[in-house]
Amino acid sequence: EVQLVQSGAEVKKPGESLKISCKGSGYSFTSYWIGWVRQMPGKGLEWMGIIYPGDSDTRYSPSFQGQVTISADKSISTAYLQWSSLKASDTAMYYCARHLGGAFDPWGQGTLVTVSS
Amino acid sequence: DIQLTQSPSFLSASVGDRVTITCRASQGISSYLAWYQQKPGKAPKLLIYAASTLQSGVPSRFSGSGSGTEFTLTISSLQPEDFATYYCQQLNSYPFGGGTKVEIK
Repeated sequence: EVQLVQSGAEVKKPGESLKISCKGSGYSFTSYWIGWVRQMPGKGLEWMGIIYPGDSDTRYSPSFQGQVTISADKSISTAYLQWSSLKASDTAMYYCARHLGGAFDPWGQGTLVTVSS
Repeated sequence: DIQLTQSPSFLSASVGDRVTITCRASQGISSYLAWYQQKPGKAPKLLIYAASTLQSGVPSRFSGSGSGTEFTLTISSLQPEDFATYYCQQLNSYPFGGGTKVEIK
């Protein structure tokens, strides 16, 4: 079964750093792009960026360029999303998803990030 | 950047109704469009890709059509489990539409 399993919920303070993960299984992790999507409380889906784990080629949405860093460790089939200095406005659910042909499927279960002083 | 505009943003319907959701692109995107369903507290689920291809396991009451700048998602006979929020996504630069929440009338 193809699966993406994300790391658990995080509670952080403004200014702290954070790295969340997305581990793929059941398929060739290096052969498919992995995307990250933000969903702020009560709001819609926003595409953040995408990485090809095979060579770490990474593309960012202009809205998120410079705000986050996307990376991958193909030796452990894991993609990452990280912040160097969190803000309260980073409070959201974050999803990873595999890019398969013309869509994203499957999706991880989501990681809730709460940033509060 | 390509923008996607969904309409309506909210609709109220009854079980058995035929429901149509529209997604308009700010410029032509061929058939590079997908539709997702999201239920509260859950990750989105792929319904349709390449504008009109039904994802494996998705009920046949869901269908997609369109190309270029105008696309539609149709639910032929709304079922209780279909009450959710639906999103379109463009698959060249990956933006999402704003979503359509389908609620029980």
